[in-house]
This record gives sequence, C-alpha cells and structure tokens, in this order.
Amino acid sequence: GESVGLHLPTLSVQEGDNSIINCAYSNSASDYFIWYKQESGKGPQFIIDIRSNMDKRQGQRVTVLLNKTVKHLSLQIAATQPGDSAVYFCAENPPLRNNDMRFGAGTRLTVKP
Amino acid sequence: DAGVTQSPTHLIKTRGQQVTLRCSPKSGHDTVSWYQQALGQGPQFIFQYYEEEERQRGNFPDRFSGHQFPNYSSELNVNALLLGDSALYLCASSWGQGDQPQHFGDGTRLSIL
Repeated sequence: GESVGLHLPTLSVQEGDNSIINCAYSNSASDYFIWYKQESGKGPQFIIDIRSNMDKRQGQRVTVLLNKTVKHLSLQIAATQPGDSAVYFCAENPPLRNNDMRFGAGTRLTVKP
Repeated sequence: DAGVTQSPTHLIKTRGQQVTLRCSPKSGHDTVSWYQQALGQGPQFIFQYYEEEERQRGNFPDRFSGHQFPNYSSELNVNALLLGDSALYLCASSWGQGDQPQHFGDGTRLSIL
C-alpha cells in the first residue's frame, strides 16, 4: 500500500545551525500535508501545514517545501535550538479521506549545544 | 483556551479485558480522531467521529469502537485486549470535515499484561 516515509531516522545538528528534515510520500493524489513535532511523553504538536497547490510555506523559524514532481516534503528549521530536539513526523491526507492523516515513522532531531 | 485533554494518562490491563479511553476536544472543535502509536512508530489512524457518527475508519478490527457525545467529547473502547494493543492512544481534534490541522492530546499509555 502507499505510505509516507522518511529518508533518515536520526539527525544531529549543532545549536545555531539550520536543520533540514526530509519526507517522501507515495500517494501522488494527496493534497494536504502536515509536519508535527513530538517530544518525549507528549502528543504530536502541530508545526506547519501545506496544501498541494503550494510549493513553499513559511512560519516562525520553519519552512516547508513541497515538490510534487518527486513526491518529496521537507521541513527546514532555522537557527536550531536545544528546544527543537524531538521526533518530527510528516503526515499526509490521502484524497477522499478527510482528517485521516498517514504518518511516517519519524526523524529524531538532536541538537548539540 | 483548553487544548485536547485525555484520560486516564496511564492504564494497565490484562489480556481479555475491556478498556474505555476518553477525550475532550479543543474548544471550538467538533471532529475527533483516534490514533494508536506503537513505541518508535508514527501514529496510525483508528477512526474519526463527526456529528456523533463514525465517518472514517482505518485498518483496525471491530474490537475497536467509539462514541461521540453531543458536547463533541469522545470515547474509544477496546474489547478482548491483546498484548499487541499496548500502545499510546492519541486523540486529535479539528474543526469540520475539510483538510484542517489536527491538534493532539498527550495520549493514554495503555499497557497490557
């Protein structure tokens, strides 16, 4: 079946550097994507979303890029801070499945001081 | 503005028992979705409730059932518990049936002995 996947299970960056977390999705008809951050013992926290009619969307210190040609999603975090250490999930909403989000396995981001 | 709240936070059951988990959605939200998150994996969609009816269902057996009340709160029931049901159960709420960000609670950690 089609699923959302991630390129790397772990990512380690130095404090102050920029982080890029990647995600591949396989359902070309998916039209809505969300990035979540999950800290230990907590539920996923919404970071940013993007619809398929957009290529880029910016938030506070975060940017999501969507490349529909290669079915690739990325999350860029500027000036990464220790508080950004967490597991990051991308999730896609398949067509005709409102709010049935399909999550990947996640990438663990570790920020070194 | 209260976020999504779930109860209990932790629960221990034995095989064959039944369990009920509870969720109160974020203020202003009317749609509740339930997810199961096994250790080290992304959340998996169980089902979604809107207007007190199950609207979407993931690949989970009939042992998993739910309910939504007029005040939009929801319950997840699991019968005939198996060891493999041990997981973090997450509730997410959103507004309406379109593509909207889902906001998660911190989950109920269910352990089956």
